[in-house]
Amino acid sequence: GNSVTQMEGPVTLSEEAFLTINCTYTATGYPSLFWYVQYPGEGLQLLLKATKADDKGSNKGFEATYRKETTSFHLEKGSVQVSDSAVYFCSSSNDYKLSFGAGTTVTVRA
Amino acid sequence: GAGVSQSPRYKVAKRGQDVALRCDPISGHVSLFWYQQALGQGPEFLTYFQNEAQLDKSGLPSDRFFAERPEGSVSTLKIQRTQQEDSAVYLCASSLILAGWNTGELFFGEGSRLTVL
Repeated sequence: GNSVTQMEGPVTLSEEAFLTINCTYTATGYPSLFWYVQYPGEGLQLLLKATKADDKGSNKGFEATYRKETTSFHLEKGSVQVSDSAVYFCSSSNDYKLSFGAGTTVTVRA
Repeated sequence: GAGVSQSPRYKVAKRGQDVALRCDPISGHVSLFWYQQALGQGPEFLTYFQNEAQLDKSGLPSDRFFAERPEGSVSTLKIQRTQQEDSAVYLCASSLILAGWNTGELFFGEGSRLTVL
């Protein structure tokens, strides 16, 4: 089955710093890849996605590119804000089941 | 509200008690999922419903776990004779899209945190 490994946290950054969270996957076939985010006191929500190799997902200034050759889907943002403080989950799926990484807690200081 | 609603938000049970966790999905959403999230881990798939039909229950950890969605809307996850290892956050998610085509557009509730003493 599918599995996802993501960078351990916690990660603490200053505002306007560059953020990257590494994610690699193992899967049969060609899974769809996702980043979900959980803000304090809220449910998980989809941040961005990519459904095939070389696709780039982007949203709210975050980007991730589906790299088949390295089986990776690293999340990046060039200039973080305090409001980006959250837990980020990398995820993959071949069908309707999502496989999640353990999550990375990101705290952005003003 | 318009989102996925779960209740109770917090539940403390003594070992051996039965618990029931409720999920109200977004109105009209066909697909409903339950996930289990242990402390410090990502969510793990438990079961999937398409309308009232439970199409996949392969993730349920034991026969003490039972889920239903009798009218294709509200769902209940029941855990019988709870054990300490059942302590986790139970997440419900719904989607307008049918299974087999995962766009990742799942809408998650805030979860029910179960603590078994």
